[in-house]
Formats: sequence, structure tokens, C-alpha cells
Amino acid sequence: EVQLVESGGGLVQPGGSLRLSCAASGFTFSAYWMSWVRQAPGEGLEWVANMNQDGSEKYYVDSVKGRFTISRDNAKNSLYLQMSSLRAEDTAVYYCAREKANAFHIWGQGTMVTVSS
Amino acid sequence: QSALTQPASVSGSPGQSISISCTGSSRDVGGHNYVSWYQQHPGKAPKLMIYEVSNRPSGVSNRFSGSKSGNTASLTISGLQTEDEADYYCSSKRSGSTRVVFGGGTKLTVL
Repeated sequence: EVQLVESGGGLVQPGGSLRLSCAASGFTFSAYWMSWVRQAPGEGLEWVANMNQDGSEKYYVDSVKGRFTISRDNAKNSLYLQMSSLRAEDTAVYYCAREKANAFHIWGQGTMVTVSS
Repeated sequence: QSALTQPASVSGSPGQSISISCTGSSRDVGGHNYVSWYQQHPGKAPKLMIYEVSNRPSGVSNRFSGSKSGNTASLTISGLQTEDEADYYCSSKRSGSTRVVFGGGTKLTVL
């Protein structure tokens, strides 16, 4: 079964850091672009970052540039999102997604990140 | 404010057809054929319904179809069923550093 499972969310104070993980199974992880997409409570979807198969290309939405870093470990079939200098507006459910031709074909169940003092 | 514009809500009765529009610009919807549509039920992850404007993934009902004209894409759902009630989001590839943009979402109510 093709599956993505996120972990690492939680409550963090403004200015703090958090590292999200996404474990992939059931497909050849190293063959796909991967993305992080977030959804603030009661709001719509927002693409956050993506990267290509070997990590040589990485892209970010402007609001997280310089604060978030996307990475992957193909040997461990895992995707990561290192988040620092967190702000209240980063509060959201974070989904990892398998991407092909700018479409998100497979989604994880999401992990909640709450930035609050 | 979302990059792509969708109506906040649409409604229809079982068996009817509805369409949801998604308006962007030449930088996104009008400039590429990489428009996708997602269905999201409350508390659940989104599900891909349409990719590359009009292609359906395996397992998605043929009641769902997509199209595009200029800077506006559309999702049409025919033969509405109660389980179609959900939020629907469009997305598009965008030229530049922001690679993908989403619409604000449309709440579909099946009356």
C-alpha cells in the first residue's frame, strides 16, 4: 500500500524550532518530487516547499524562505521539514505529498503544528 | 488572499450537475496545463480528483471532469451524490519561485 506518514508536530513557542518527518512506503520514494503543503485551522491549502528526487532543486513559498529547510533521505524513504523562527501564522496541519507534474497524487494524514506561548 | 479565485460555495441537488470555477492569470492557470483539483472532507487529507486540467487518477469517478479556457479552469461534477459534499480546491503550477498555488476553496453542499 502506498503510504505517507507524517510525525514531529506539536506545540512550540514563537521563535522556536521543530522538525517534521514523513515516512514513505509502498513506492519507489527516490523516483518522485516531494512537497510539504499546510492548512491553517479553518483555512485553505498552501504549498510550502518541494524538492526533486536527488535534492539538487528546492523551492519555497516566500513566507518561509530563510526559515524552513526541506530535505530528504532516500535511503530511509523519508522527507523532512526543518522549521525555525516559527511564528503564530505558521500554525497549521502540515501534509507531505508525493508530487508529479505539479499535482499532489498521494497525501499523508498530516501533523499539527501549533505556535503559541 | 489566495492566488487563485474560487467561489466560496456552490450547491446542488442529488442528480444535478455543478461546476466550480478557478480563475488565475497567465502566470499560472493560463500559462500551463498543470491545473489540479482536490476534494477534502472534514478532518481528512485532500484527495486528488483531476490533474493536468482534465485527467482523472485511477479510481476517481467519471462523474468528475475538468476543463480550462484562458485563465479560468473548471471542475464539473455530474450526477451529484451526497458523498460529494466536501471542500474542493484547485491548484496550478506557477512560473517563478512559488511553484504551486492554490485557490481558496469551494464548499459544495448537496441539498
